[in-house]
Amino acid sequence: DTAVSQTPKYLVTQMGNDKSIKCEQNLGHDTMYWYKQDSKKFLKIMFSYNNKELIINETVPNRFSPKSPDKAHLNLHINSLELGDSAVYFCASSPTGTPSYGYTFGSGTRLTVV
Amino acid sequence: GENVEQHPSTLSVQEGDSAVIKCTYSDSASNYFPWYKQELGKGPQLIIDIRSNVGEKKDQRIAVTLNKTAKHFSLHITETQPEDSAVYFCAASTPRDDKIIFGKGTRLHILP
Repeated sequence: DTAVSQTPKYLVTQMGNDKSIKCEQNLGHDTMYWYKQDSKKFLKIMFSYNNKELIINETVPNRFSPKSPDKAHLNLHINSLELGDSAVYFCASSPTGTPSYGYTFGSGTRLTVV
Repeated sequence: GENVEQHPSTLSVQEGDSAVIKCTYSDSASNYFPWYKQELGKGPQLIIDIRSNVGEKKDQRIAVTLNKTAKHFSLHITETQPEDSAVYFCAASTPRDDKIIFGKGTRLHILP
């Protein structure tokens, strides 16, 4: 199936731990994104990469570090996890760096920090 | 930067009735306005979009309208069905942006 796939779907971890979320798209898109959705459903962009190059880096703590080994993959590593990091993280992709072709979202990773 | 306001935050309509969700945007340069539907446990899915050179667009039971002068756009769902229950997001982007700015979402409940 053509899609944006994220792993894991659920992640429960203790404060202070380091964790990674992986994302892969087989749509041939050039641009990939990470969005954070809080408990009130608000979607906020964190990062975007266009063909492995960082394009957007919103005001996100340095504990969050994206990595794009190729244009089909965008991973998110989080150091020293805090309670406030609990959220659903969505990966998305679009055909070009211009969002006016729409995004395709993954199904999300629910991160719970205890 | 762009700011998108969305109303209402929650909407309940009887099955078969129409539902309308309204959004306003702040940046007059915005030219692309997508709508996303998010079902429980899933990622948002693009359901319809409109560009600034068009005033209205329709796809079966879903329609979007855009008023550039007033900087607002709306989603209309007719003959609502149970499967329309979801969270709906409006969004906007400008030609110079590499990102879409989302509204805060509307939780739509279709009542039997």
